[in-house]
Amino acid sequence: QVHLVQSGAEVKKPGASVTVSCKASRYTFTDSYIHWVRQAPGQGLEWVGRINPDSGGTYYGQKFQGRVTMTSDTSITAYMELRGLRSDDTAVYYCATQPQNGDHLDDWGQGTLVTISS
Amino acid sequence: EIVLTQSPATLSLSPGESATLSCRASQNVTRFLAWYQQKPAQAPRLLIYDASNRATGIPARFNGSGSETDFTLTISNLEPEDFAVYYCQLRNDWPVTWTFGQGTKVEIK
Repeated sequence: QVHLVQSGAEVKKPGASVTVSCKASRYTFTDSYIHWVRQAPGQGLEWVGRINPDSGGTYYGQKFQGRVTMTSDTSITAYMELRGLRSDDTAVYYCATQPQNGDHLDDWGQGTLVTISS
Repeated sequence: EIVLTQSPATLSLSPGESATLSCRASQNVTRFLAWYQQKPAQAPRLLIYDASNRATGIPARFNGSGSETDFTLTISNLEPEDFAVYYCQLRNDWPVTWTFGQGTKVEIK
């Protein structure tokens, strides 16, 4: 099982960009896809998007299209950049792995709190 | 895009009782459903995948069932550590997206 370690909390101003990283600390992302899921304070889980670390292919949630970019360097670290930040982007952002033979998310990072405040 | 509706929003039970959580899809599901448990200030944890398969290390008191539009997570003999929020999730075929239900909170009565 892959152990995922995310970068630390961020505070950003409205309109700025943030990049959150997700590193596999024990193994690589081989045979896995990387998802990003966010959770606003007191709210449920919201899917942001997915990247295939091998091909770089991505799927993004419709509401994030044009504002988010997901990348990966080899099979060790994945990144999510979110641009044009708004107050309602304040949330904990999680990375998670999806095995190639399933649709579920079987391992999760610890989460990164991104706070948008002027 | 398929919408997942979970019910009830909150379930108040005592330890030792059984919990039945529902997840209803807005149309027949051709992909497999997963269930997650989330405790306060923790990341979600995979419980069930492919509707009925327990993830590694998940106790046998957690059982998933269902197909087409109706899915159920049953927790037998609730332990104190089972009080948490539970989410269902599936992948949509088109557009290719992943969807979560809004969650069911299982709280101590």
